[in-house]
Amino acid sequence: SQKIEQNSEALNIQEGKTATLTCNYTNYSPAYLQWYRQDPGRGPVFLLLIRENEKEKRKERLKVTFDTTLKQSLFHITASQPADSATYLCALLNSGGYQKVTFGTGTKLQVIP
Amino acid sequence: DGGITQSPKYLFRKEGQNVTLSCEQNLNHDAMYWYRQDPGQGLRLIYYSQIVNDFQKGDIAEGYSVSREKKESFPLTVTSAQKNPPAFYLCASSLGQGNTEAFFGQGTRLTVV
Repeated sequence: SQKIEQNSEALNIQEGKTATLTCNYTNYSPAYLQWYRQDPGRGPVFLLLIRENEKEKRKERLKVTFDTTLKQSLFHITASQPADSATYLCALLNSGGYQKVTFGTGTKLQVIP
Repeated sequence: DGGITQSPKYLFRKEGQNVTLSCEQNLNHDAMYWYRQDPGQGLRLIYYSQIVNDFQKGDIAEGYSVSREKKESFPLTVTSAQKNPPAFYLCASSLGQGNTEAFFGQGTRLTVV
């Protein structure tokens, strides 16, 4: 069956360190993968998109990698700040056939001052 | 300001009543979506629409109905609301279905009593 897995346990890191979040998928052939940030009681906000033929994408302190062999995307936040505390969702669009964006369950990040 | 607006933010209904959630966007987006978010389950697609007067069922369409009479509006009706833990409903829009980043509304939390 198709699955998108993100670590359901919260990730706690010290301010200033690099946070790394993982998104693994099974039985998908993603055309692209997206990362969103969600704050409590609010809708997700788009952060980054990486396509199947791209290995890495950067935006300010954010970096996303995409390994189609490992079927995994890593999301990094460098020099993390308490304001980065939120839940981060990965989402992917499966290529071919029925086009639909599917979301993972998200990982909660807590940056400790 | 351009964006996507959901109303109301909190909604209470008696069991068995129909309830309609509003979603309006002024981004000139063709595609609109409704998701339901439950704790630990991520976002699950209820319905989506690629164009006016057309919509498709998502993964959990049973018990819901939608209409898309105008490009800007995509209301969701919960038919015969069941007593369950409060659910968080999110509306989103994008330029094209499954093609680009999704913009989300602030969400509506529905409690059935």
